[in-house]
Amino acid sequence: DAKTTQPNSMESNEEEPVHLPCNHSTISGTDYIHWYRQLPSQGPEYVIHGLTSNVNNRMASLAIAEDRKSSTLILHRATLRDAAVYYCILLNNNAGNMLTFGGGTRLMVKP
Amino acid sequence: KAGVTQTPRYLIKTRGQQVTLSCSPISGHRSVSWYQQTPGQGLQFLFEYFSETQRNKGNFPGRFSGRQFSNSRSEMNVSTLELGDSALYLCASSFGSNRGYGYTFGSGTRLTVV
Repeated sequence: DAKTTQPNSMESNEEEPVHLPCNHSTISGTDYIHWYRQLPSQGPEYVIHGLTSNVNNRMASLAIAEDRKSSTLILHRATLRDAAVYYCILLNNNAGNMLTFGGGTRLMVKP
Repeated sequence: KAGVTQTPRYLIKTRGQQVTLSCSPISGHRSVSWYQQTPGQGLQFLFEYFSETQRNKGNFPGRFSGRQFSNSRSEMNVSTLELGDSALYLCASSFGSNRGYGYTFGSGTRLTVV
């Protein structure tokens, strides 16, 4: 199964943009790239997903490399409420609808 | 619109007992998945149901089982509880079985086994 690699932690200042990287060099052509985040004491929250093209929604933007071997989740203006663990996950045919969570990136936002 | 509802929120059970957890998905969602979260193992997939059929199962012993009803509500059962079953159990729902859909998670049921 294709795996993802993310930094363990990142820091950001409030109201600044944050770029959270994810490497997935063994991604297959039909794998979707999903991002979830988990705030303290809550269940994971869907952020965004994409296949090949960059995606934008009200929460974030997803930039996918042309070769699809990496992607970046962009939070345009970090707030204290964005402090969470961010998970980059690939969904593939073999795994059906099973989300395989890795360690994720713990984002700390400084006021 | 109502989110994914899990009941109960907290539960304390004794070793050897069994427990049933409930999950009501978002209206219209037909796929329900269950996950276990522990500090040591992180988030791990238990199983997924779609239209009352189990489509995927994670690497958990047979003591962990589940089912889905015709209204898409789902229950998971753990029999012969062990101390290591203490965890946050999360339910997630989605429109369909296509991996292109996002999942909405509930707040979880925190199970403590003593």
